[in-house]
Amino acid sequence: QVQLQESGPGLVKPSETLSLTCTVSGGSISSYYWSWIRQPAGKGLEWIGRIYTSGSTNYNPSLKSRVTMSVDTSKNQFSLKLSSVTAADTAVYYCARVIAVAGGLLNWFDPWGQGTLVTVSS
Amino acid sequence: DIQLTQSPSFLSASVGDRVTITCRASQGISSYLAWYQQKPGKAPKLLIYAASTLQSGVPSRFSGSGSGTEFTLTISSLQPEDFATYYCQQLNSYPPMYTFGQGTKLEIK
Repeated sequence: QVQLQESGPGLVKPSETLSLTCTVSGGSISSYYWSWIRQPAGKGLEWIGRIYTSGSTNYNPSLKSRVTMSVDTSKNQFSLKLSSVTAADTAVYYCARVIAVAGGLLNWFDPWGQGTLVTVSS
Repeated sequence: DIQLTQSPSFLSASVGDRVTITCRASQGISSYLAWYQQKPGKAPKLLIYAASTLQSGVPSRFSGSGSGTEFTLTISSLQPEDFATYYCQQLNSYPPMYTFGQGTKLEIK
């Protein structure tokens, strides 16, 4: 079964760039959308963006100016970069596979990685 | 953008109770809704997609219903492992934008 694992620094300084990688195992990364979702402590889930294995991306408009996602199919990995971070970007970051059916109208996330806590602090 | 509003935000119940959580969409979304369960310190887990289809491996005490703007997640007989936070989720198709409900925390009474 497909499993996802996030990796990257757990501490990032304000104004710097947060960089995370999600490694997909147990299946191919090809022909799916892959997403990043974050969750500040004690709060709800916020979608950050998604990338198709062709490299096509869609981002949350509220984060779009700071987000870049990329994919490396040879390594079965996809990545997130979030620039100019502030304390408000402190959260657990999850990667997840997007399942899309019904002509793309019905989408859900499954499976999810275990999540990685990123703290923005000097 | 379509907003999802869950009610209640907090729910206190006992083992064996039947509970229902509601998710209301600000516009009609047909049956394009999913439900997740999240336990503390864990990633969300898919329970239901297409409003009423149970994900493989999810106990049959979970069920989902609804279409259009009103959806429900029902747990027919609460088990100790069901105390968690539940989220609904949908996709705005253009531009693509996923939204989640604010969550419903189910606590032991």
